[in-house]
Amino acid sequence: DAGITQSPRHKVTETGTPVTLRCHQTENHRYMYWYRQDPGHGLRLIHYSYGVKDTDKGEVSDGYSVSRSKTEDFLLTLESATSSQTSVYFCAIQETYNEQFFGPGTRLTVL
Amino acid sequence: DQQVKQNSPSLSVQEGRISILNCDYTNSMFDYFLWYKKYPAEGPTFLISISSIKDKNEDGRFTVFLNKSAKHLSLHIVPSQPGDSAVYFCADNAGGTSYGKLTFGQGTILTVHP
Repeated sequence: DAGITQSPRHKVTETGTPVTLRCHQTENHRYMYWYRQDPGHGLRLIHYSYGVKDTDKGEVSDGYSVSRSKTEDFLLTLESATSSQTSVYFCAIQETYNEQFFGPGTRLTVL
Repeated sequence: DQQVKQNSPSLSVQEGRISILNCDYTNSMFDYFLWYKKYPAEGPTFLISISSIKDKNEDGRFTVFLNKSAKHLSLHIVPSQPGDSAVYFCADNAGGTSYGKLTFGQGTILTVHP
């Protein structure tokens, strides 16, 4: 168990509202990632972090921002949610070289 | 950009037989490949990996083969069990860096029938 939790696990929101998803880890890992999973696309990297206040964009970062003020927390924010952001969001941490471990996911529905 | 493709959306096999899941990739210089398994309503779990300096890695019932000339890797599960029914993703870290920006394939749904 890599000690990763995500909150909320499910959320329904309306178009145009801001949404923040939280990823929390208990094991002090430096690298954290946010992915989205959509049918036909596998998992795609949104943003990642390589330390406190150190973040960078992934493949599908448009419409998303992240923050990491503490080692244990990595927040993903949708500033103004759109229906195209309906997805399942996974947070991951990296324990060993190249092997990432994933949280349980957050299912987000934007109406 | 690195591309990773799993061209078979689904695979159905009988319990006890071999399951072979396939994955193709584009770039390959310092790649490190991983397989993940995902059950419904859960996060992906790491299964097995292989470095580009090897052509085979084995862990119990799971073996991954890497064919660098064909830019192809495959995951063999022998014998297959009903509990192996899940979505399988291959992933690639083409950067060779200390942290893994993984590129995932689209996934293959494996169904193992009793």
